[in-house]
Amino acid sequence: QKEVEQNSGPLSVPEGAIASLNCTYSDRGSQSFFWYRQYSGKSPELIMSIYSNGDKEDGRFTAQLNKASQYVSLLIRDSQPSDSATYLCAVLRDQGAQKLVFGQGTRLTINP
Amino acid sequence: GAVVSQHPSRVICKSGTSVKIECRSLDFQATTMFWYRQFPKQSLMLMATSNEGSKATYEQGVEKDKFLINHASLTLSTLTVTSAHPEDSSFYICSALDYHYEQYFGPGTRLTVT
Repeated sequence: QKEVEQNSGPLSVPEGAIASLNCTYSDRGSQSFFWYRQYSGKSPELIMSIYSNGDKEDGRFTAQLNKASQYVSLLIRDSQPSDSATYLCAVLRDQGAQKLVFGQGTRLTINP
Repeated sequence: GAVVSQHPSRVICKSGTSVKIECRSLDFQATTMFWYRQFPKQSLMLMATSNEGSKATYEQGVEKDKFLINHASLTLSTLTVTSAHPEDSSFYICSALDYHYEQYFGPGTRLTVT
């Protein structure tokens, strides 16, 4: 089992709709979770971090964490074509060394 | 968010030569930086953790003598790919840990070995 799993997609969503991205992780002791956005040929950009169960909202983005189910998700409201990218879920594996483990990423396409 | 730069952004070198990549945190001090490699259509793979003032910690399977890391100051880490070969061609990305323990990535360096 991979440490961090994501559906690789591609996920196609019409413009203006809600895009829902999901991620599961295997280490029940994980405490910190991150969503990164990566455009083709570019490096990842941090979008959200979440540490507690529940929802965390930042503009059009909402991260959701459920530690009991070992599940973290990212919702993008009012999707725009510029949101088309690969979204990487990352989990902090080693609290001391601050190492991140990344999922394979979900490729999201917003259709105008 | 914090700003991390990398230089060069793109480099082409001949097989057998060495290439140095610089990673700088521009607006904060980073005691810890990380080096990743990403092959096409794959996710990021951590190569090593770079700690200021001490030896880097390499992930399993990464040759420390081939990928030399130096973290000489709180704002600069360098990765040198020694005796590069075509299979080393990849996208190399560094990241730096800020005061909130969030990782910010540099823009990446695309290495092509001919």
